[in-house]
Amino acid sequence: GENVEQHPSTLSVQEGDSAVIKCTYSDSASNYFPWYKQELGKGPQLIIDIRSNVGEKKDQRIAVTLNKTAKHFSLHITETQPEDSAVYFCAASPPTGNQFYFGTGTSLTVIP
Amino acid sequence: DTAVSQTPKYLVTQMGNDKSIKCEQNLGHDTMYWYKQDSKKFLKIMFSYNNKELIINETVPNRFSPKSPDKAHLNLHINSLELGDSAVYFCASSQIQGGETQYFGPGTRLLVL
Repeated sequence: GENVEQHPSTLSVQEGDSAVIKCTYSDSASNYFPWYKQELGKGPQLIIDIRSNVGEKKDQRIAVTLNKTAKHFSLHITETQPEDSAVYFCAASPPTGNQFYFGTGTSLTVIP
Repeated sequence: DTAVSQTPKYLVTQMGNDKSIKCEQNLGHDTMYWYKQDSKKFLKIMFSYNNKELIINETVPNRFSPKSPDKAHLNLHINSLELGDSAVYFCASSQIQGGETQYFGPGTRLLVL
């Protein structure tokens, strides 16, 4: 089955700096890669996603890149703000079945 | 107008008890899921239902039994609760099987004493 690895497990940045979280996956058939943000005491919320026919997607300060050959994808947050502090999860989903394989999470702290 | 709702939000109970967690989604999705998040924040899928039919059943003890009365509801019943069952349980739903966004509920924080 699919195996998703996520790094780093913790990340601290100064407000205004950029943050990058990286994930690798093992199943080359996976074709959908969502990113979730989980704030304290809440459920994970989708912030951006990318499909395997696209190499990059951007939404304001958030961008995701996908390298299918290397089987890795990354989340980029620019101009970080304190409210970006949360746990971020990547996931990979194969085209068959309905299972998300989640990474182990990255705890991001933005220091004011 | 909550998309995916769960009750209760907190559940504190004694070892050996039986408890249920309820989940409802008003998104019109046909697939629902239960996840367990442990203290290290790992998200692990437990079950998935598509149109009231069990699709995924991971290596979960048979003390856990999901029940889907209709495609908008997926409840989780847990028998003979153990200390290791303490975790946050999330319900989620998606439009179709595979490759579509899953929408998560707010979670149920279960503490077994």
